Amino acid sequence: AQKITQTQPGMFVQEKEAVTLDCTYDTSDQSYGLFWYKQPSSGEMIFLIYQGSYDEQNATEGRYSLNFQKARKSANLVISASQLGDSAMYFCAMRVPNAGKSTFGDGTTLTVKP
Amino acid sequence: EPEVTQTPSHQVTQMGQEVILRCVPISNHLYFYWYRQILGQKVEFLVSFYNNEISEKSEIFDDQFSVERPDGSNFTLKIRSTKLEDSAMYFCASSPLRQTNSPLHFGNGTRLTVT
Repeated sequence: AQKITQTQPGMFVQEKEAVTLDCTYDTSDQSYGLFWYKQPSSGEMIFLIYQGSYDEQNATEGRYSLNFQKARKSANLVISASQLGDSAMYFCAMRVPNAGKSTFGDGTTLTVKP
Repeated sequence: EPEVTQTPSHQVTQMGQEVILRCVPISNHLYFYWYRQILGQKVEFLVSFYNNEISEKSEIFDDQFSVERPDGSNFTLKIRSTKLEDSAMYFCASSPLRQTNSPLHFGNGTRLTVT
């Protein structure tokens, strides 16, 4: 079974600063995909970034980057130059071969302060 | 960009009533999912559907729940006799592939309130 752990229920960051949201995972599969999704207060789920277990480089998408440490089984999301619109809930998720579904963590609520 | 569409956005129903939540996945996607999220909590997997049959379901997805793809575009979740604890946001998602590098594409959700 897969498990995703997000230990930070809530985080605060000052506008324009960087913030790291933690995610650790557990799986016995060698091949897996890790994803981050953003859920603003309006409720929709927005895909942000993907990291494959065999990818040697950390994924980046604009202001989002993923700090992937395979040996530690962590896949932390780094948001650089935070904006007020980044205030939302952030979910880390995993997908393994043949499972189809994605397994989600409990989420971290990020609040960006002006 | 194509998107997953869910209707209605909000549904209020009385305990014991049947509800049907509707979804139109992205047209070339093959894998369909329902997830639910009780207010402010984690996103929980309910069921996955491929090739006109359920491929996996969670323990939440008991006999009160059913899914159907009645035509080539709609994907529905039916709750036969709603309970108060069914109140949640229900998300439909679709994916073109089952591979690990394929993210889920979510609809905007249906907020179900059972009174």
